[in-house]
Amino acid sequence: QSALTQPASVSGSPGQSITISCTGTSSDVGGYNYVSWYQQHPGKAPKLMIYDVANRPSGVSNRFSGSKSGNTASLTISGLQAEDEADYYCSSYTSSITYVFGTGTKVTVV
Amino acid sequence: EVQLVESGGGLVQPGRSLRLSCRASGFPFGDYALTWVRQAPGKGLEWVGFTRRITVGGTIEYAASVKGRFLISRDDSESIVYLQMNSLKIEDTAVYYCTRGDCRGGECSAPDFFDFWGQGTLVTVSS
Repeated sequence: QSALTQPASVSGSPGQSITISCTGTSSDVGGYNYVSWYQQHPGKAPKLMIYDVANRPSGVSNRFSGSKSGNTASLTISGLQAEDEADYYCSSYTSSITYVFGTGTKVTVV
Repeated sequence: EVQLVESGGGLVQPGRSLRLSCRASGFPFGDYALTWVRQAPGKGLEWVGFTRRITVGGTIEYAASVKGRFLISRDDSESIVYLQMNSLKIEDTAVYYCTRGDCRGGECSAPDFFDFWGQGTLVTVSS
């Protein structure tokens, strides 16, 4: 199972909006609404930010939103803040009853 | 408060075995899937495997990269999930995270997402 494809890096200024893409296949992202997104700060464990494509867990800022079209899912961060600087990973359930993560995107707030 | 605490990591030679433990608290352990995810130094996340919740059989699925070498088990009486790693390779070097899997609706025979993570334990495979 190949990793889902994400851009290596995305940057934005404080207050701006950025979008991270996550491209898979019809056997994972395109076949199920079980895409989730994780934020990871250096040296820390990942944190769930979005589940089931577009749902936010309790306590996650509404500046984070998710969507999906075909085989590509997206995470949008609006009103970018310095604390959003981190690595972001998407994940999807697959037709093989396994899970696959994305290659990861480093978000920089410039 | 949900907590997952991994232990058992360390330095091990190639070909040897190691067992990781993850002790859970703060939630009804038997009602959830438990998943192992690893991250090699400077690399991305890789799903290792999971054990289903007991109410749907407690069966286990593995990633192809570890199938036949790694074994996941759970002790619901102690709220612990284990990862037995055999025939270790240098490329198994990673931080290993224990995570809780959950779903929204349905039978939840496999989790939709991983909502709580432990702090991770480092496994280094080297001669």
